[in-house]
Order: sequence, then structure tokens, then C-alpha cells
Amino acid sequence: DAKTTQPNSMESNEEEPVHLPCNHSTISGTDYIHWYRQLPSQGPEYVIHGLTSNVNNRMASLAIAEDRKSSTLILHRATLRDAAVYYCILRGDNYGQNFVFGPGTRLSVLP
Amino acid sequence: DTEVTQTPKHLVMGMTNKKSLKCEQHMGHRAMYWYKQKAKKPPELMFVYSYEKLSINESVPSRFSPECPNSSLLNLHLHALQPEDSALYLCASSQGTSGVRETQYFGPGTRLLVL
Repeated sequence: DAKTTQPNSMESNEEEPVHLPCNHSTISGTDYIHWYRQLPSQGPEYVIHGLTSNVNNRMASLAIAEDRKSSTLILHRATLRDAAVYYCILRGDNYGQNFVFGPGTRLSVLP
Repeated sequence: DTEVTQTPKHLVMGMTNKKSLKCEQHMGHRAMYWYKQKAKKPPELMFVYSYEKLSINESVPSRFSPECPNSSLLNLHLHALQPEDSALYLCASSQGTSGVRETQYFGPGTRLLVL
């Protein structure tokens, strides 16, 4: 399985943008990059996903490097409610239904 | 309704008890999943059901027994558990079964303590 690496933890100030990096140097051409987050005492929730182009939705933006070996989840204005563990996950035809979470990045948001 | 519900929220059981965890979704999803999550660790996949048939069992010990009585319901039967099985058990569902663009919807989990 292609692996992802993320920083263990990051800190941000409230109302500032946050850039959460993910490295996936062994990504294959058909792998999608998914991001989920897990708020305290909750199950994970979907944030965004993409293949090659940058993607935007109401929660976040996903910037994908041209060589696809890394990606960045962008929260445009962090709020206290964005404090969570953020997981970058690869999904491809070779994985079938396997959904493999890496250790993720624990984001703290300071008031 | 994009909700996956799980009951109970908390469960304490002895090593000789038999108990069941329940998961329900009414989104018409055809794939359902059980995950185990230890404290400060990411979720780990245990079982996957596709169209009510078990399609993946990630070498889970037989003291965990999944059941999918219908397309909306998923159970996890527990018997003779060990203290190291104490964890958060998460249920999830997705519309299809293998699409790379599939989004999984997670329930809030059942926090299990085995004494």
C-alpha cells in the first residue's frame, strides 16, 4: 500500500489560515487523495478529496503538487471547532475496500 | 439524513460476558464497516460488508463476530473479550463498495471497556 506521512502535530491561531501537509511519494497514477478529520469524542468525518487538480469545498481547499507526491489541506480561517486530528488517506483501485488511516496530524487552534 | 447511529455509546463488560454493538444507517448505502480505535491511535479496519455479505475480515479474532441482518443494520457480537480489546468501536458506511471516490460516513462510536 502507498504510504502517507504527516507531521504529528501543528498549532494555529484562531482566524488564521492553516496549511496541513501530507507526503505520498509512492502514490500511483490512479490513487485519489482523501482527507478526513476526527474531532474529539467523535467519529472521523470526510473533508475533501482530489486526484490531480486543486479542489475547493465549503470546508477546505486541497492543493495537490504537480508531481502528486505531496498535497496540502488548507483551512482558510481556523476556528476553535477545527481542532481535530486530520488524516490524509490514499484510495486506489488496488486497495479495494481497504481504508488505511495513517497516524494523522493533531491540529490545535489557539484563541 | 447522512447519519450513522451506534448503540450503546458506552459499554462495560466482563471477560465472560456476551454483548452486541449495533450500527444503523438509512442512506441506502450498500457497504458497511467496523473499525477499532485505541486511544491516541488511528482507526483500524476490522470488517467490511458489501451488499450484506462479508467481504473483508482483517484477521480479527473469532471473539468478534459481525452480522449484517439487512442493508441498514450492522451488528458486532462480542464474546470472551480480553482487557486489551477495550477501545472505541466505529461503524461506517459508504454508498458503493469499491469506488476510489467513495466517501465513508462514520458513526460516533461505542466506547468499550473490558474488565
